[in-house]
Amino acid sequence: DAGVTQSPTHLIKTRGQQVTLRCSPKSGHDTVSWYQQALGQGPQFIFQYYEEEERQRGNFPDRFSGHQFPNYSSELNVNALLLGDSALYLCASSRLSLEQYFGPGTRLTVT
Amino acid sequence: SQELEQSPQSLIVQEGKNLTINCTSSKTLYGLYWYKQKYGEGLIFLMMLQKGGEEKSHEKITAKLDEKKQQSSLHITASQPSHAGIYLCGADPMNRDDKIIFGKGTRLHILP
Repeated sequence: DAGVTQSPTHLIKTRGQQVTLRCSPKSGHDTVSWYQQALGQGPQFIFQYYEEEERQRGNFPDRFSGHQFPNYSSELNVNALLLGDSALYLCASSRLSLEQYFGPGTRLTVT
Repeated sequence: SQELEQSPQSLIVQEGKNLTINCTSSKTLYGLYWYKQKYGEGLIFLMMLQKGGEEKSHEKITAKLDEKKQQSSLHITASQPSHAGIYLCGADPMNRDDKIIFGKGTRLHILP
């Protein structure tokens, strides 16, 4: 049984560009959450998707948007990238409010 | 808003020694998670505690939630190099609504 998968593993972008990160949830899971983890910090909640809708959102600007597809996979989009967006982006999946399982993350570097 | 404070921030122990990591919340915890993270990698789920006084163990790792549900501890017995990494506590602030608030983590180094 494959766990949570994320792509790409690493990404380098320039300020002002746009980026799309992808996540496939663990089999049987229907809820996907995205987190941003800056170096030396704990993960910060960005938003959560359930039934293809954003169910709740953390304190992140509108430049951060997302989508969930009918197969429960999800995308995180970030527009107008800033240097401060450099971080490890983690995707987590769950079902019925049980334990969240995390993917390996995507390391985004903005130059 | 709920905040979690972990202590210590960093810990260096000799292989074979026991150690404890603490997590304190500013508000009552409805659910308390412990995760382990290798540097720059994803989080590995360790345990979830929900009831006051609850204690769970997995291999050499034991986690407890106090009766008031505002403090948790993670104890590792006879530490091994494989225990090295970052330990993160996380709280479900609204009773199982899937948003986890994390502490900043405790960095554990094991000396051979």
